Amino acid sequence: RKEVEQDPGPFNVPEGATVAFNCTYSNSASQSFFWYRQDCRKEPKLLMSVYSSGNEDGRFTAQLNRASQYISLLIRDSKLSDSATYLCVVNVLPGGFKTIFGAGTRLFVKA
Amino acid sequence: GAVVSQHPSRVICKSGTSVKIECRSLDFQATTMFWYRQFPKQSLMLMATSNEGSKATYEQGVEKDKFLINHASLTLSTLTVTSAHPEDSSFYICSVGTTMFYNEQFFGPGTRLTVL
Repeated sequence: RKEVEQDPGPFNVPEGATVAFNCTYSNSASQSFFWYRQDCRKEPKLLMSVYSSGNEDGRFTAQLNRASQYISLLIRDSKLSDSATYLCVVNVLPGGFKTIFGAGTRLFVKA
Repeated sequence: GAVVSQHPSRVICKSGTSVKIECRSLDFQATTMFWYRQFPKQSLMLMATSNEGSKATYEQGVEKDKFLINHASLTLSTLTVTSAHPEDSSFYICSVGTTMFYNEQFFGPGTRLTVL
């Protein structure tokens, strides 16, 4: 079982749609959680951190459920520019800091 | 966030040659930098953790004698791919972690290595 698993995708949605990405992690000692965005042939860029209370940034909402070891990202009113790969990222701290990336979910937003 | 640069952005070399990739933290003194590799349509895989002034910590399965890491200053880490082979062709990305606990990472723009 992978340490961080994401929806395999790709997701093809029309502009204006709401899309949700899911991610699960296996290590209960995971400490911090992020969503990154990666455009084709580019480096990942931080989209948002994920907090236990949930957090929102404009059209993006992230949720964390520690009991279920589950993270989600919701994008409302999708734009063409949202097309990218979304990476779920988990930091495990005990035993030494280690960052684990999910395989990513590709999103295509079409006009 | 931290600004990270990498050089070169793209390199094509012959099999058997060595390639050095530089990672610079432009506005942040980074005691720790990370090196990742990403093959097409796959996720980033951590290769090693680069520690300023000491030896790098390599992930399981990564040959330390093949991927030489030097972190001689708080702003520069280098990765040298020695005796490169076509299977080493990949996207190499470095990153800097900026906080102790939450450890957001800021990535360099990556270096695309093609070994012929």
